[in-house]
Amino acid sequence: GNSVTQMEGPVTLSEEAFLTINCTYTATGYPSLFWYVQYPGEGLQLLLKATKADDKGSNKGFEATYRKETTSFHLEKGSVQVSDSAVYFCALSDKGAQKLVFGQGTRLTINP
Amino acid sequence: KAGVTQTPRYLIKTRGQQVTLSCSPISGHRSVSWYQQTPGQGLQFLFEYFSETQRNKGNFPGRFSGRQFSNSRSEMNVSTLELGDSALYLCASSLEVTNNEQFFGPGTRLTVL
Repeated sequence: GNSVTQMEGPVTLSEEAFLTINCTYTATGYPSLFWYVQYPGEGLQLLLKATKADDKGSNKGFEATYRKETTSFHLEKGSVQVSDSAVYFCALSDKGAQKLVFGQGTRLTINP
Repeated sequence: KAGVTQTPRYLIKTRGQQVTLSCSPISGHRSVSWYQQTPGQGLQFLFEYFSETQRNKGNFPGRFSGRQFSNSRSEMNVSTLELGDSALYLCASSLEVTNNEQFFGPGTRLTVL
């Protein structure tokens, strides 16, 4: 079945540092790929998505590129802020389906 | 436009009891999905509803059930609660079943004692 693997956390960085959170997936066919973010006490918010190979999703300075050859969708940001502290989830869904399969989440803490 | 709302936000029950959680999707959204979030298992898909029909179901025991009403509001029910059912239950809505962008509510935190 489909699965998503994220890099182990937690991750702690200083403000303005470069961020990478690794995500790889296993799926049949060509799934859609997502990054969600969860702030303390809240539900998940869609951060960005990509629906086909070589697509780049971007939002709020975050980027991720759908790499079919390496089955990866790594999240990057050039300069993180304290407000980026949250838990980040990589997820996939089959085309036309609503069911999301999530990675285990990566807790990110940014220190001033 | 109001977001996805879930009630109640917090719930404490004892083993053996049953519980009903409610989700009101964003106005106009017809698809509702439910997820369970626990520290050990992470986020796991429970079910998905569209136009009052269950389209997909995750790998959970029959104690977990749900339904959707004609106004797209959804409820999920857990009977004979177990300690392991303690979790954050998240509801997500989307416009159509072919639109993969889902909007999540804040969740209901269920504690089973």
